[in-house]
Amino acid sequence: AQTVTQSQPEMSVQEAETVTLSCTYDTSENNYYLFWYKQPPSRQMILVIRQEAYKQQNATENRFSVNFQKAAKSFSLKISDSQLGDTAMYFCAFTLYGGATNKLIFGTGTLLAVQP
Amino acid sequence: NAGVMQNPRHLVRRRGQEARLRCSPMKGHSHVYWYRQLPEEGLKFMVYLQKENIIDESGMPKERFSAEFPKEGPSILRIQQVVRGDSAAYFCASSPPGQRENIQYFGAGTRLSVL
Repeated sequence: AQTVTQSQPEMSVQEAETVTLSCTYDTSENNYYLFWYKQPPSRQMILVIRQEAYKQQNATENRFSVNFQKAAKSFSLKISDSQLGDTAMYFCAFTLYGGATNKLIFGTGTLLAVQP
Repeated sequence: NAGVMQNPRHLVRRRGQEARLRCSPMKGHSHVYWYRQLPEEGLKFMVYLQKENIIDESGMPKERFSAEFPKEGPSILRIQQVVRGDSAAYFCASSPPGQRENIQYFGAGTRLSVL
């Protein structure tokens, strides 16, 4: 069975600084996808960034980038130039590629507070 | 293209009543997923449906819970004889057919409160 672990329940960062959120996962499969979702106070789930396991290059989306270490089963999210609007709960998620089910497996989340 | 629509946004039920949660996927999406988020927790998978078929219901309780996605109309998550432990936010997500990346687009959720 696959599991996703986020070991930082809460984090805080000053506006304009950089913060890294950690995520580790466990799977015996080789082909999968990893995601970071953001859940602001509105509770809407918003996709931040995704990574295919077969790609060695780390994904980037504007101020958001990941450090994907497949051997270590680690998938951290780096937010550069933090903005007040980045304040949210961040969830790491995993899904198998080509499996019978497409379900997402989520971690327990990291609550990020961006301080002015 | 409207996003995933869930209604109602908030639903209050007394113990023993039925709750019906609706989800209209994005246009062109034929895959629907339901997740439950208990207070202070992450989302937990419940069920995955394609039009008229349940593909994976491994995360759904065997008793009192059911889901459907008819040929016409929204997907429905139905909870019979609700109990206080059913109080949670229920999220629906959808994805298009044949998408390798399995990017799921989420609705805003339905917050169920059981009194």
